[in-house]
Amino acid sequence: LAKTTQPISMDSYEGQEVNITCSHNNIATNDYITWYQQFPSQGPRFIIQGYKTKVTNEVASLFIPADRKSSTLSLPRVSLSDTAVYYCLVGFNAGGTSYGKLTFGQGTILTVHP
Amino acid sequence: EAGVAQSPRYKIIEKRQSVAFWCNPISGHATLYWYQQILGQGPKLLIQFQNNGVVDDSQLPKDRFSAERLKGVDSTLKIQPAKLEDSAVYLCASSPLTGNSGNTIYFGEGSWLTVV
Repeated sequence: LAKTTQPISMDSYEGQEVNITCSHNNIATNDYITWYQQFPSQGPRFIIQGYKTKVTNEVASLFIPADRKSSTLSLPRVSLSDTAVYYCLVGFNAGGTSYGKLTFGQGTILTVHP
Repeated sequence: EAGVAQSPRYKIIEKRQSVAFWCNPISGHATLYWYQQILGQGPKLLIQFQNNGVVDDSQLPKDRFSAERLKGVDSTLKIQPAKLEDSAVYLCASSPLTGNSGNTIYFGEGSWLTVV
């Protein structure tokens, strides 16, 4: 399984854009990159997933360079409620009759200040 | 759509006692996971089911932990006997297997276990 490396913590202020970068040097050809968000006392929540280039949804953007050895989660105009732990995961594509498995790392603690 | 349901939400037991956690995944999800999350760490996969078969239980401490998913729907995770280091949140999650999508996993709120 591909191992991921992310910063342990980050600080930001309300209204700023936050970029969290994750390294996954040994990502496999059929691996997807997925980001989860976790608030205290809750289970992780899916944010965004991608395979290559750029993916955008209503919550975030995910930038993946051509070599796929890293990825960057971008949160536009963060608010206090975005304070959480963010996990980058790299895992096996669950296509067809195969199954998927995701391994969590330490995550990045994002603190948004007023 | 209903999410992943878990119970109990909180449990306090003494060491060497037993405890069981229940999980009902999202309807139609073939894959079910149990994760253990110790305070300050990321979730660690304990066991993964595909329908009612075990796909991966390599990190499950089988001398004290057991899990089953009879009929391929809901699941039970049991710890017997519990140790102090088992104090953690036990997260159940499920995911569908559809086409060529990546493996999006949906988590429950977790069951908090404190062993004293």
